[in-house]
Amino acid sequence: EVQLVESGGGLVKPGGSLRLSCAASGFTFSSYSMNWVRQAPGKGLEWVSSISSSSSYIYYADSVKGRFTISRDNAKNSLYLQMNSLRAEDTAVYYCARSEGDYHSNWFDPWGQGTLVTVSS
Amino acid sequence: SSELTQDPAVSVALGQTVRITCQGDSLRSYYASWYQQKPGQAPVLVIYGKNNRPSGIPDRFSGSSSGNTASLTITGAQAEDEADYYCNSRDSSGNHLYVFGTGTKVTVL
Repeated sequence: EVQLVESGGGLVKPGGSLRLSCAASGFTFSSYSMNWVRQAPGKGLEWVSSISSSSSYIYYADSVKGRFTISRDNAKNSLYLQMNSLRAEDTAVYYCARSEGDYHSNWFDPWGQGTLVTVSS
Repeated sequence: SSELTQDPAVSVALGQTVRITCQGDSLRSYYASWYQQKPGQAPVLVIYGKNNRPSGIPDRFSGSSSGNTASLTITGAQAEDEADYYCNSRDSSGNHLYVFGTGTKVTVL
């Protein structure tokens, strides 16, 4: 069964740091691009960051650029998101998701269950 | 970044047909994918590419596209289809890689 399991969420003070992890199983992790998508309480989905299969290509949303770092360890079938200088507006459920497709068509499947990050003093 | 605009909410009678639209410049260049999200759950892919359904998604879900608009149609809506639906595509602006739609709450009456 293809599965993604996030961990590492929690309560952190503004300006603090947190590292999220996503453990993948049931597929060849090293063959796929991976992504982080977040959802603030009661709000819609927001793409956060993507990393290609070999880490050659990395992209960030403007809202997190310079503060968040995406990485992966293909030997450990794991995806990470290092979040620094956290702000209240980063409070959200963070999902990891596998992406597939080609130039004209991309999709996210599957998604993990999400991990909640709360930034509050 | 580009934007993908969806109607905030639509309602449909049980067994009837509802169409959810997603508008944005990115859709002139890229296909949309569609996700269903029920309260407290992770999103689930329901349509991708031109009009493809992942295994396990009922054939009452279908997708289409024209110009800058992508549509998700539920033909014969069931009570379990009540959920939030989001579209998504690559971002044609070049600033971001992907963009999500604003989301549509579907209520089955």
